[in-house]
Amino acid sequence: DQQVKQNSPSLSVQEGRISILNCDYTNSMFDYFLWYKKYPAEGPTFLISISSIKDKNEDGRFTVFLNKSAKHLSLHIVPSQPGDSAVYFCAASSNNNDMRFGAGTRLTVKP
Amino acid sequence: EAGVVQSPRYKIIEKKQPVAFWCNPISGHNTLYWYLQNLGQGPELLIRYENEEAVDDSQLPKDRFSAERLKGVDSTLKIQPAELGDSAVYLCASSPNGGLQETQYFGPGTRLLVL
Repeated sequence: DQQVKQNSPSLSVQEGRISILNCDYTNSMFDYFLWYKKYPAEGPTFLISISSIKDKNEDGRFTVFLNKSAKHLSLHIVPSQPGDSAVYFCAASSNNNDMRFGAGTRLTVKP
Repeated sequence: EAGVVQSPRYKIIEKKQPVAFWCNPISGHNTLYWYLQNLGQGPELLIRYENEEAVDDSQLPKDRFSAERLKGVDSTLKIQPAELGDSAVYLCASSPNGGLQETQYFGPGTRLLVL
């Protein structure tokens, strides 16, 4: 069962514009959410996280928004840069420390 | 600070052969994870260790997969015998204490191709 879903396999944006990556989850027990970034031939790298007690967390150009009632989170990158081109994974965990990942969204930022 | 180290980076074997992957976590990290990542999908947990104890191996196919972390530091994941469907990337991750809301740090993975 896919408890974390990233319905857009790919996204293409122009450099300087905003990138919005979306993620939905089904398990209401999830209370911690993360975004990982993955370049080819490398492992996923932690990008940003948010606890369920918050609805927004910001780190430089990256902001994660959490809508618990909709079981939806999103990652905003602004302004987007060509170096942001990668696969982005959404992940969620609950109090049993069981982390589930989405299938990933491939972001391409065009110069 | 060195990250999670995995070897080999790539492995090609014929079906029914055994294969082993090695992982050295970040120094001081007590919790170690092995994940399987199929093409076009996210990582899926195979096994989680707290020091040398496997605390979650519910997703590990125990008929052919085994893992060990004898001294609570580095770990080995083994497949015997390998099947065509085992072709995937095997990721190792570590975290300080496996606590709640703790970030996991991933190694580069071992890409396995079974022919």
